[in-house]
Amino acid sequence: QQPVQSPQAVILREGEDAVINCSSSKALYSVHWYRQKHGEAPVFLMILLKGGEQKGHDKISASFNEKKQQSSLYLTASQLSYSGTYFCGTEQAPNRDDKIIFGKGTRLHILP
Amino acid sequence: EAQVTQNPRYLITVTGKKLTVTCSQNMNHEYMSWYRQDPGLGLRQIYYSMNVEVTDKGDVPEGYKVSRKEKRNFPLILESPSPNQTSLYFCASSSEFMNTEAFFGQGTRLTVV
Repeated sequence: QQPVQSPQAVILREGEDAVINCSSSKALYSVHWYRQKHGEAPVFLMILLKGGEQKGHDKISASFNEKKQQSSLYLTASQLSYSGTYFCGTEQAPNRDDKIIFGKGTRLHILP
Repeated sequence: EAQVTQNPRYLITVTGKKLTVTCSQNMNHEYMSWYRQDPGLGLRQIYYSMNVEVTDKGDVPEGYKVSRKEKRNFPLILESPSPNQTSLYFCASSSEFMNTEAFFGQGTRLTVV
């Protein structure tokens, strides 16, 4: 039940906005977002819990629609430092099984 | 400095030769896990541990073993490595089993020939 991320890859120019989607076929309890730069470890961005909340982190924000079983990551006025691969990780509801299942990732490349 | 340390960073080995990848965290975290990362497949969980002496299988546990004798250490053991275990491995830890930030180690690139 790996979540599906879209798009698989995106190329933007610096200053443009991007949206990365994460969808699950199962009901979700939480969604985790990470960014991984080439050759480095994934780095935590944010967690969204069941309840439809939206979180923000500088110019990166995310929403979680539990009814639609999906989350979206919004990157506003993208910077060169935003380049990397973004992963969503989902925890399924209602029976929490202590696992986070990650999607295959979305590669984001920002051009100057 | 809070960190998760994996060793070695790079390893080339031959089929069938037992190996251990070490993972240590200095944050007193209870939850630790191992992932493998393969092109186009994302991060897949191998094993996880909620506390000392408590471990459980993730999504791809075949061919791997783990142990959690101390809170800070969570080694990954490949008893008889095979070429399909060639991958990039990450160890991660978090303060709780869910709903908190996971800290990842720098990764171990394993090649089995």
